[in-house]
Amino acid sequence: DTEVTQTPKHLVMGMTNKKSLKCEQHMGHRAMYWYKQKAKKPPELMFVYSYEKLSINESVPSRFSPECPNSSLLNLHLHALQPEDSALYLCASSQGGLANEQYFGPGTRLTVT
Amino acid sequence: QKEVEQDPGPLSVPEGAIVSLNCTYSNSAFQYFMWYRQYSRKGPELLMYTYSSGNKEDGRFTAQVDKSSKYISLFIRDSQPSDSATYLCAMSVTGNQFYFGTGTSLTVIP
Repeated sequence: DTEVTQTPKHLVMGMTNKKSLKCEQHMGHRAMYWYKQKAKKPPELMFVYSYEKLSINESVPSRFSPECPNSSLLNLHLHALQPEDSALYLCASSQGGLANEQYFGPGTRLTVT
Repeated sequence: QKEVEQDPGPLSVPEGAIVSLNCTYSNSAFQYFMWYRQYSRKGPELLMYTYSSGNKEDGRFTAQVDKSSKYISLFIRDSQPSDSATYLCAMSVTGNQFYFGTGTSLTVIP
């Protein structure tokens, strides 16, 4: 089973709202990732958690706040977003350490109004 | 110069054709290479994963890595309309942080 699940599938939020995106995997993977993807563009890395510790933060604005409660779960907390933050937010996971295939979830399509 | 270059296409082929998709890169330290297929409004699906140089085959798909030329390829044999998607290459030095190409849009015409 190589499944990464993400909820919700779609999210519409105003600029003053607070919401969270959730990601879950049960493959025993120890690395989890958040990506942002705009239309017709490749995924852009936002955050990497390795063994439940934040290991990479690609200079993402503080209105995006990641959280890794345990090795299976990854959250992305959203607050005071801008319309340009509207995108497909993808979660991915891999075994961790070196040399590992990365599996993506279906994504959450976020629209900021 | 971008880390990874990929021709965005679009590429249009008749059903049954052999498709060749390519990426070039500048960082000679890349050693992990992946190909993803992404259907419209869906997450990327891992197709092929290769470490270092060489070929890897899986059904109708063959991945090739030529590290001396900093060039990777994905070949699709007997292409089907269901192969119509955007194909992304991705590569990494450590296996922890991956750099993606811009994607090639492929349409297979019945």
